[in-house]
Amino acid sequence: DGGITQSPKYLFRKEGQNVTLSCEQNLNHDAMYWYRQDPGQGLRLIYYSQIVNDFQKGDIAEGYSVSREKKESFPLTVTSAQKNPTAFYLCASTEGSTGNTIYFGEGSWLTVV
Amino acid sequence: QQQVKQSPQSLIVQKGGISIINCAYENTAFDYFPWYQQFPGKGPALLIAIRPDVSEKKEGRFTISFNKSAKQFSLHIMDSQPGDSATYFCAASMKGNTPLVFGKGTRLSVIA
Repeated sequence: DGGITQSPKYLFRKEGQNVTLSCEQNLNHDAMYWYRQDPGQGLRLIYYSQIVNDFQKGDIAEGYSVSREKKESFPLTVTSAQKNPTAFYLCASTEGSTGNTIYFGEGSWLTVV
Repeated sequence: QQQVKQSPQSLIVQKGGISIINCAYENTAFDYFPWYQQFPGKGPALLIAIRPDVSEKKEGRFTISFNKSAKQFSLHIMDSQPGDSATYFCAASMKGNTPLVFGKGTRLSVIA
C-alpha cells in the first residue's frame, strides 16, 4: 500500500542525547514536511523540503536538523539543543501537480526522560 | 499575517445536531483552505477543502462555507455522530507547494 511510514512510533530520549525520527514515503511525492504537535498548539512547521537535496526552515526549526538525500526519505534529528522536545511529531508529503493536499504519517511520540 | 485563528477550542454536540467550527485568516494571498480530521494517536487526514472561487462546498454531511470578504471559513457537520468525535484543524496555504498553516484545532465530542 502507498503511504507515509514513520518510525519509531514511541521513543524515549535521555536529556543531552540526539535522536533521529525516520520518515519514508512511497507516494512519489516531491515535497515533504515535519510538523510538531503539542496539546492546544495545533501543528507547527519544523522543516520542509520541496526537492531532493534542498530544505527550508519552518517556524520552529531551532534544535532540529533534517536531510533530504533521497526523494522518499526525510529524517528529522532532534538535537540536544532542543530544550523541550517532548511532543508528537508528524511527517507529511505533497504531490506537487495537484497543489497543496498534504498526506500525513501516523506520527512519532518522543518523550524525554 | 501567517496565522489562522480557529474557534472554539472544544465543542460538545448532541448526536444528530450540527457542529460548527470557525476559522479566520489575514493573509489575502491564501488560496487553499482545507480541513483535517485527527483521531487520538493518529495523523491528521484531509476531510474537505475549498478554494476562494466558491462560497460553499459540500461532501456528504460535511460542508465548508467560505466568506472571502470577511476572510472567514467554517466547517459544518450535519447530523453529527459519535464517530465524528475527533480534533479538527483548519488550514490555509498560498499557491504552489507552500506549507500549510494550521489553526490550533477544535476538539469535538458528539454525545448520545
